Amino acid sequence: GAVVSQHPSRVICKSGTSVKIECRSLDFQATTMFWYRQFPKQSLMLMATSNEGSKATYEQGVEKDKFLINHASLTLSTLTVTSAHPEDSSFYICTGGQGAGDGYTFGSGTRLTVV
Amino acid sequence: GENVGQHPSTLSVQEGDSAVIKCTYSDSASNYFPWYKQELGKRPQLIIDIRSNVGEKKDQRIAVTLNKTAKHFSLHITETQPEDSAVYFCAPSISGGYNKLIFGAGTRLAVHP
Repeated sequence: GAVVSQHPSRVICKSGTSVKIECRSLDFQATTMFWYRQFPKQSLMLMATSNEGSKATYEQGVEKDKFLINHASLTLSTLTVTSAHPEDSSFYICTGGQGAGDGYTFGSGTRLTVV
Repeated sequence: GENVGQHPSTLSVQEGDSAVIKCTYSDSASNYFPWYKQELGKRPQLIIDIRSNVGEKKDQRIAVTLNKTAKHFSLHITETQPEDSAVYFCAPSISGGYNKLIFGAGTRLAVHP
């Protein structure tokens, strides 16, 4: 099945700094990847759809200038949280696969803590 | 867009009992209905899915039933075990492309020995 590798698994950063999270598809070409955010005891909220070679599509209410998505190759999508603040502390997770009907595979997630 | 409802939000059962979680959706174009299990601090794992041309699918102790007319589908777990304790999410979608998954609010299942 499709394998998605996500790094780092945990990161602690100071308020005002930026953090980059990477998601790599190891055995398939990820034309599209999705980025989710999950606060404690809540559901997965879609932040944006990452498209290889084009601009990402952001969900309503998600600041595109704060959450920068880059999908320059078929195997790598990155999410950069810029000027991070404590309220950005969350579990960020990517997913991709061969299509919705085949069941997307999730990365292992990144727990971001902003202090 | 898709509106997804899921209930109950929490479910507590005794080991060996059955558990049922229901998911409702609004988009009549949805034709792919997966259930994910997420253990604490881990990634969601697809545990079972069903497509709109099928009414029921079973995999050992897990089953999913679909009522497309009423726009709801349910996860059934029989003979529950403590390791079934987790949060379960439904995510109705449209197959055949890179369509996004919109997750339900989740159901926290606790199975007590």
